[in-house]
Amino acid sequence: SAVISQKPSRDICQRGTSLTIQCQVDSQVTMMFWYRQQPGQSLTLIATANQGSEATYESGFVIDKFPISRPNLTFSTLTVSNMSPEDSSIYLCSVEVSSRDTYGYTFGSGTRLTVV
Amino acid sequence: GENVEQHPSTLSVQEGDSAVIKCTYSDSASNYFPWYKQELGKRPQLIIDIRSNVGEKKDQRIAVTLNKTAKHFSLHITETQPEDSAVYFCAATLNSGYALNFGKGTSLLVTP
Repeated sequence: SAVISQKPSRDICQRGTSLTIQCQVDSQVTMMFWYRQQPGQSLTLIATANQGSEATYESGFVIDKFPISRPNLTFSTLTVSNMSPEDSSIYLCSVEVSSRDTYGYTFGSGTRLTVV
Repeated sequence: GENVEQHPSTLSVQEGDSAVIKCTYSDSASNYFPWYKQELGKRPQLIIDIRSNVGEKKDQRIAVTLNKTAKHFSLHITETQPEDSAVYFCAATLNSGYALNFGKGTSLLVTP
């Protein structure tokens, strides 16, 4: 299955600043998904990123706050803009993997963001 | 959109006992139902999944059952071990290309 390298693994940021999270996949994938996991909570989908087009955002998430880039089929970035303490969460990228032998969704290792 | 409900939110069992976690989904078009285990500070890891054309799937101590008519699916862990302690998430999705929709999670504690 695909291997995702996500970075940074963690960061502590000042409010009002921005952080860009990167995900690199070791194979080409059509869709990349970005999730937020608040402390002790489940995974909430932020947006779906398709190469060559604008990301599709879920209700409650907007492009100005969470701009996403998808320049090619192996890479994506999520930026958390103008951060506030409420943005403190774990952010994860995910891809769907489909081959002759395997199918599933795999996740990056996550970025633990603390906003102070 | 798809809504996935998961119960219970916490579950405590003695080592060797069985654990069952249940999920319901709202969209009858959903056709893929994975279960993830997430240990503290780690990413979710797929432990078992089932497609809508199958009623049951088993992998050693872990099994998943699916009732399409009732729109619910369950995770069964037999002969639980302390290392099974983690948070378990169910999820559902439509066809390929769609994101997973997750339940709220079940914190499983297996006591020796």
